[in-house]
Amino acid sequence: RKEVEQDPGPFNVPEGATVAFNCTYSNSASQSFFWYRQDCRKEPKLLMSVYSSGNEDGRFTAQLNRASQYISLLIRDSKLSDSATYLCVPTGGKLIFGQGTELSVKP
Amino acid sequence: ETGVTQSPTHLIKTRGQQVTLRCSSQSGHNTVSWYQQALGQGPQFIFQYYREEENGRGNFPPRFSGLQFPNYSSELNVNALELDDSALYLCASSPAGAGASEQYFGPGTRLTVT
Repeated sequence: RKEVEQDPGPFNVPEGATVAFNCTYSNSASQSFFWYRQDCRKEPKLLMSVYSSGNEDGRFTAQLNRASQYISLLIRDSKLSDSATYLCVPTGGKLIFGQGTELSVKP
Repeated sequence: ETGVTQSPTHLIKTRGQQVTLRCSSQSGHNTVSWYQQALGQGPQFIFQYYREEENGRGNFPPRFSGLQFPNYSSELNVNALELDDSALYLCASSPAGAGASEQYFGPGTRLTVT
């Protein structure tokens, strides 16, 4: 089993839609989690940190389920500018990135 | 912008050659991590430097080596380049280690090996 597995995508959604991505992780010792977004051919940028059961920042909500070892990212009212690849990163001594989930928001 | 810079932006090398990539960390950050990102994949951890010492390494062969300098800038060296080394190389800095701390990435160096 891979250390981090993400929904394979791509997700193609219309503007205004709500979309959710899931990420499962194998290291039960992971204490904190990050979601990064990466635009095409650019570096990853930190989107959200999750240190407890979840976090909310505007249209973005991250939820953590430690028992099932998964973390989700919910995006409400999708914007064209949300189009990117979203990377899930559980921590546990070093950052292990998932392969990413690509989101494409269409007009 | 994160304040992390990398050079060069792009590089083309021939198989068997050696390459050095450079990274300047964000002010106040003493930890630098290097990642390799192949097309369509997430970044893969190469190694991390904390206060000039290697502080963790991923599954990369010894021909990948690094340095960190007293000003916390860093170099990644790759010897005997192979075609599969073609990738985006990302440097990230953080105030203290990779385990619990958010990392801030530079724009990357795109290496092509022919």
